[in-house]
Amino acid sequence: NAGVMQNPRHLVRRRGQEARLRCSPVKGHSHVYWYRQLPEEGLKFMVYLQKENIIDESGMPKERFSAEFPKEGPSILRIQQVVRGDSAAYFCASSPRQGDSMNTEAFFGQGTRLTVV
Amino acid sequence: AQKVTQAQTEISVVEKEDVTLDCVYETRDTTYYLFWYKQPPSGELVFLIRRNSFDEQNEISGRYSWNFQKSTSSFNFTITASQVVDSAVYFCALSEARGNTGFQKLVFGTGTRLLVSP
Repeated sequence: NAGVMQNPRHLVRRRGQEARLRCSPVKGHSHVYWYRQLPEEGLKFMVYLQKENIIDESGMPKERFSAEFPKEGPSILRIQQVVRGDSAAYFCASSPRQGDSMNTEAFFGQGTRLTVV
Repeated sequence: AQKVTQAQTEISVVEKEDVTLDCVYETRDTTYYLFWYKQPPSGELVFLIRRNSFDEQNEISGRYSWNFQKSTSSFNFTITASQVVDSAVYFCALSEARGNTGFQKLVFGTGTRLLVSP
C-alpha cells in the first residue's frame, strides 16, 4: 500500500535551525500539495507543485519557506531559521496527472509534526 | 473567495446517539467539489467523501450519510448510532473544479471535534 509517505513524522528544531520535510507522493502521481495545520485549526493551503514546477504558492509565507518537487525524489518543504510560530502539522497530498484528477481525491500523508523549541 | 464554515466547535454525544455535523460553504464557482475528512487522535487525515456540485443526491455509506443542499450551500454529515471510535475531528472542505488542470486547492473549515462517550 504505497500511499503518500511523509517523513519524518515528528521533527524537533531549535529556533534558528532549518527544517526539511519530505513527501513522497503516491506512485504515478505528479501533483503535490502542502498544507499547514496550526494547533486547534483547520488545514491551510501552502503550495502546489508539479514535477520541477511551482504552480501556485499563494499560501506560502513570503520569507523563510520554500518548496520543491524535483524530477527525481521526494518533494521537500524547507523552513529556514524556524521560529516558535512555525510549530504545526504539515501535510502533503498528491493527486494523479492532469486529466485524471477529476475522478479522485487528493491523498494525504500522515503529516509531519514540527515542534520548535 | 471560497469559505467553509463549521460552526460547531465541539459536540459530545453518548454512544448510539445520532449526530449531525454542519458545514456551510461559500463559493462563486458553479462547479466545485465538497469533501469530508476525519482526523482521529493519531493525527492522520482520512478521506470520507467527495461530492460534485452537480450531484445533489444524498449519500449513505454504512452509518454515515451526507445531505448536500445547494439552495442553502450546506453539506451536512450525519453519523447514525455513533460509536466511541467515531471520536475525532471532522473537517469539511471545498475545492474548485478547474477542468483538467489537476489542481485541488482545498479550503478547509476549522473542524468539529466529536466526542463519543461510552
